[in-house]
Amino acid sequence: EVQLVESGGGLVQPGGSLRLSCEASGFTFSSYFIHWVRQAPGKGLVWVSRINSDGSSTRYADSVKGRFTMSRDNAKNTLYLQMNSLRAEDTAVYYCARDPRSGTYSVAMDVWGQGTTVTVSS
Amino acid sequence: QSALTQPASVSGSPGQSITISCTGTSSDIGGYNYVSWYQQYPGKAPKLMIYEVSKRPSGVPDRFSGSKSGNTASLTISGLQAEDEGEYFCSSFTTTSTVVFGGGTKLTVL
Repeated sequence: EVQLVESGGGLVQPGGSLRLSCEASGFTFSSYFIHWVRQAPGKGLVWVSRINSDGSSTRYADSVKGRFTMSRDNAKNTLYLQMNSLRAEDTAVYYCARDPRSGTYSVAMDVWGQGTTVTVSS
Repeated sequence: QSALTQPASVSGSPGQSITISCTGTSSDIGGYNYVSWYQQYPGKAPKLMIYEVSKRPSGVPDRFSGSKSGNTASLTISGLQAEDEGEYFCSSFTTTSTVVFGGGTKLTVL
């Protein structure tokens, strides 16, 4: 079964750090771009970042640039999102999601994880 | 990058057709054929319904179709069914190589 499973969410104080993980199974992880998307409670989807298949290229939303770092370990079929200098407005469910096209980029997300909740509060 | 503009809500009766619009600019929707649509039920992860403007992933009924004209993309659902009720989001690639989503449209099947 093609699957993405996020972990690492939790409660953190403003200014703190957290590292999210996303473990892939059921497909050739190293062939696909992966995105992070977040959704604040009761709000819409917001794109956070994406990484290319070999991890050599990343892009970030302006709201997280300089604070969040996306990386991947293709040997472990795992994706990471290192989140630093967290703010209350970063509170959300964070999803990792696979781009549909193997080997290239269609700027879409066809396989989603179940999400992990990050709460930034004192 | 500002969010794409979607109507907050649309509704239709079973069997009818509805269209959800998604308006952007020449820096996103108008500039690329990378528009996607997602369906989301409360408390669940989104599901891809349309990608690259009009392509349907396998398993998505052909009642769902996508199109684009200028800076506006559209999702049409024909033969509306009760199970189509949920929230729909559009997204697009942008000139800064990022992705922007719409604010979401709640579809009610009357």
